[in-house]
Amino acid sequence: DVKVTQSSRYLVKRTGEKVFLECVQDMDHENMFWYRQDPGLGLRLIYFSYDVKMKEKGDIPEGYSVSREKKERFSLILESASTNQTSMYLCASREGGSGNTIYFGEGSWLTVV
Amino acid sequence: GENVEQHPSTLSVQEGDSAVIKCTYSDSASNYFPWYKQELGKGPQLIIDIRSNVGEKKDQRIAVTLNKTAKHFSLHITETQPEDSAVYFCAASRINAGNMLTFGGGTRLMVKP
Repeated sequence: DVKVTQSSRYLVKRTGEKVFLECVQDMDHENMFWYRQDPGLGLRLIYFSYDVKMKEKGDIPEGYSVSREKKERFSLILESASTNQTSMYLCASREGGSGNTIYFGEGSWLTVV
Repeated sequence: GENVEQHPSTLSVQEGDSAVIKCTYSDSASNYFPWYKQELGKGPQLIIDIRSNVGEKKDQRIAVTLNKTAKHFSLHITETQPEDSAVYFCAASRINAGNMLTFGGGTRLMVKP
C-alpha cells in the first residue's frame, strides 16, 4: 500500500513563527502536492513538485514556500505564520499524469495564535 | 481555469436509503472525474472515478454518472450504511501531465442508524 506520512498531526504556533510541515512518501512517486483544506472550500492546491528540486505554484501559494531535496520528501514552509493560515494541511503524492490516483496523508492541523 | 461546484454541502439520510451528491464543472475539456471519501481524522481516499468516454460506472453500492453536455456528474450510494458517513469530494481535470485536479467544496454525509 502507498503510504504518505505527515510527521506532525497537530501543531500550535505563534504569529510570526517559521513553520515546517514535513511529508514523506514510500512509493517512489514523481509528483508530490501540498493542499489546504478549509470547510466549504474543498481542497486547494498550494504547491506541487514533479521532480527533485522542482516546484510549481498552485492556486494559493502566497505566504508559503516548499522544498524537495529528496524524491520521497516534500516540505511546506510558512515563513512567518499568520492567523489566516490556521487550517488543515494535506500532503499527497501521485505517480505519472493527472489521470492517476492521488494518495493523501492524514493531514496536519495547524493553529496559529 | 476549472471551477467545480458541489451540492449539497451536508446530507443526512436514514440507513438503507440512497444518497446522491452532485457536481458541476466549468471546463468542457475536463475528462477525468474522481470521487474521494474522507473519514474523520484521515486523509481523502479515492473511491471511484470516471473518464469522459463513459457515461456511468458502478462499483458495488456506489456509482458515478457523467453528463458531458450539461457538464455535471453525480455520486450515487445505495443501501447506505453508518460507515458511509464521511466527507465526500468530487474533482475534475484534464488527463494531461500538466493539469492538476480541481476539487469541489465537499459534502458531509451522515447516515443515521
